[in-house]
Amino acid sequence: GAVVSQHPSWVICKSGTSVKIECRSLDFQATTMFWYRQFPKQSLMLMATSNEGSKATYEQGVEKDKFLINHASLTLSTLTVTSAHPEDSSFYICSATGRQERWGYTFGSGTRLTVV
Amino acid sequence: GQNIDQPTEMTATEGAIVQINCTYQTSGFNGLFWYQQHAGEAPTFLSYNVLDGLEEKGRFSSFLSRSKGYSYLLLKELQMKDSASYLCAVLNRDDKIIFGKGTRLHILP
Repeated sequence: GAVVSQHPSWVICKSGTSVKIECRSLDFQATTMFWYRQFPKQSLMLMATSNEGSKATYEQGVEKDKFLINHASLTLSTLTVTSAHPEDSSFYICSATGRQERWGYTFGSGTRLTVV
Repeated sequence: GQNIDQPTEMTATEGAIVQINCTYQTSGFNGLFWYQQHAGEAPTFLSYNVLDGLEEKGRFSSFLSRSKGYSYLLLKELQMKDSASYLCAVLNRDDKIIFGKGTRLHILP
């Protein structure tokens, strides 16, 4: 089946630094990737949608200059959290689709970001 | 607006049956997902319904009524490993998956 690899699994960084999270589709071409954020005991909140070769579309309330998304190829999308602060500490998950089937969405394993 | 409602928590006994309900109001509808999520892990796909009716897959079944904006996930022969959060999610008209807040299911021995 389709596999999406997400790295790193967890990261601890200092406040003010930037962190990059990678999401790769291993056995299919991901025409669209989605980035979600999940705070403890809350649901997944969609942050942005990225299509290969074009600018990401951000959901309302998500700062595009803070959460930089690059989808340069059909197998790789990156999310960079710039100038991270403790309130950015969260679980970040990507999801990719490239299939014809409407249900063909595959999630990465998630990245636990802790900003200290 | 978009709204997906499901109970916050439920408790059931090992070996029993539990039904988790979900109601939704979204901008368009292209299908409904159920995911299982264990703490600290990514969601795992359980089911996808786009037509009315019941879809059965082993111990898990999912039902959809589009006219009522309603779905349920039915779990039979509960096992301790079924303790997890169950997320109801709708694929809206923009083909974006919008999640409900999830139902934390506790299984008692």
